[in-house]
Amino acid sequence: QSALTQPASVSGSPGQSITISCTGTSSDVGGYNYVSWYQQHPGKAPKLMIYDVSNRPSGVSNRFSGSKSGNTASLTISGLQAEDEADYYCSSYTSSSTLRVFGGGTKLTVL
Amino acid sequence: QVQLQESGPGLVKPSGTLSLTCAVSGGSISSSNWWSWVRQPPGKGLEWIGEIYHSGSTNYNPSLKSRVTISVDKSKNQFSLKLSSVTAADTAVYYCARGLVRSFDIWGQGTMVTVSS
Repeated sequence: QSALTQPASVSGSPGQSITISCTGTSSDVGGYNYVSWYQQHPGKAPKLMIYDVSNRPSGVSNRFSGSKSGNTASLTISGLQAEDEADYYCSSYTSSSTLRVFGGGTKLTVL
Repeated sequence: QVQLQESGPGLVKPSGTLSLTCAVSGGSISSSNWWSWVRQPPGKGLEWIGEIYHSGSTNYNPSLKSRVTISVDKSKNQFSLKLSSVTAADTAVYYCARGLVRSFDIWGQGTMVTVSS
């Protein structure tokens, strides 16, 4: 069982917006602004999409945005495109001895 | 631009030791970054294994701490992972990654390690 909880799957049509949630506790998501999001296509390495809750690395489309409220972080993808179909993982720093925790991943299907 | 490349045996016998190396190119391992290992069992999610700083300071996932050693070789611009007493549960794709504050901004392509006799 993953430390952070994500929905197993979400779906949307091209052009629509979707949001993926990531729920933790006050020891991780709620306690620090150190939530990051990763996109992983089949057979590929994860790619950083959002860091420190809402910051986009250079080169990442502004269709991707992140936010946080309490113990839940969210990744929103607007203007869905076929290439967005992938698995998405959230991660957070944690005050526990584990230091780094991941969510179980969410499979995004573009209909 | 910085690139990471994992290398090591793809097959390890049960009770043996898994050994992997991550070569850093396009940048220095002595930069102000932590360097991590992350693994992903087939069809499952990501698990952080541990990290190292160029000074040799390390942090490990408590669930693996008793079996893990991460080391750095600044002369070769690389860092390594050793995981002892492996079982089938250690079968996974192993990634090395560069730490960006509390996230991982650069990843290697990953290497599949199977534990089997």
